[in-house]
Amino acid sequence: NAGVTQTPKFQVLKTGQSMTLQCAQDMNHNSMYWYRQDPGMGLRLIYYSASEGTTDKGEVPNGYNVSRLNKREFSLRLESAAPSQTSVYFCASSPLRDRSYEQYFGPGTRLTVT
Amino acid sequence: QQPVQSPQAVILREGEDAVINCSSSKALYSVHWYRQKHGEAPVFLMILLKGGEQKGHEKISASFNEKKQQSSLYLTASQLSYSGTYFCGTVLQGAQKLVFGQGTRLTINP
Repeated sequence: NAGVTQTPKFQVLKTGQSMTLQCAQDMNHNSMYWYRQDPGMGLRLIYYSASEGTTDKGEVPNGYNVSRLNKREFSLRLESAAPSQTSVYFCASSPLRDRSYEQYFGPGTRLTVT
Repeated sequence: QQPVQSPQAVILREGEDAVINCSSSKALYSVHWYRQKHGEAPVFLMILLKGGEQKGHEKISASFNEKKQQSSLYLTASQLSYSGTYFCGTVLQGAQKLVFGQGTRLTINP
């Protein structure tokens, strides 16, 4: 039981390049989330998927797109990377959406955009 | 509506107690607490639902004051392993979305 896995762990991009961050969970959770973490800003929600087949914007969705490929997998795509997207990205999952359920976080992807 | 945590940082000696506060300007349904060690993922500690309950986890406990829209995390007789950044997350009444505070960095020295 691996929990939540993310790939890659580290990535360096040049401005304008694109990439996809992958996330998978093996806990049969319905809900999945993408956060970014910047120093002093806490965790900010980019997009979430309350259940398979649905996705919704969070607090900071601009510059990102997501795909809920199936119940296990939720990917985050940067179409044209910008230096402001340099951050640590965490994927998380929970049995159901937010309110009363704990979220399980993946190990994170450290992204640098030059 | 991001909750406000205080203090932003605290330094203690091993064995001392700490209190971390989390405040909201709007009515809350639930408060979630997480701990993140440097370079690692956040790890869930506990959830408090409206009703003013208090929960415990080892020597870490928390309370939820509905009237004040505030939660406090209590770390008793702190251990070196308690070092890290503590985040509260809040869900407003009538809402579904969890919003995290900016975090409180706790350093425990021997």
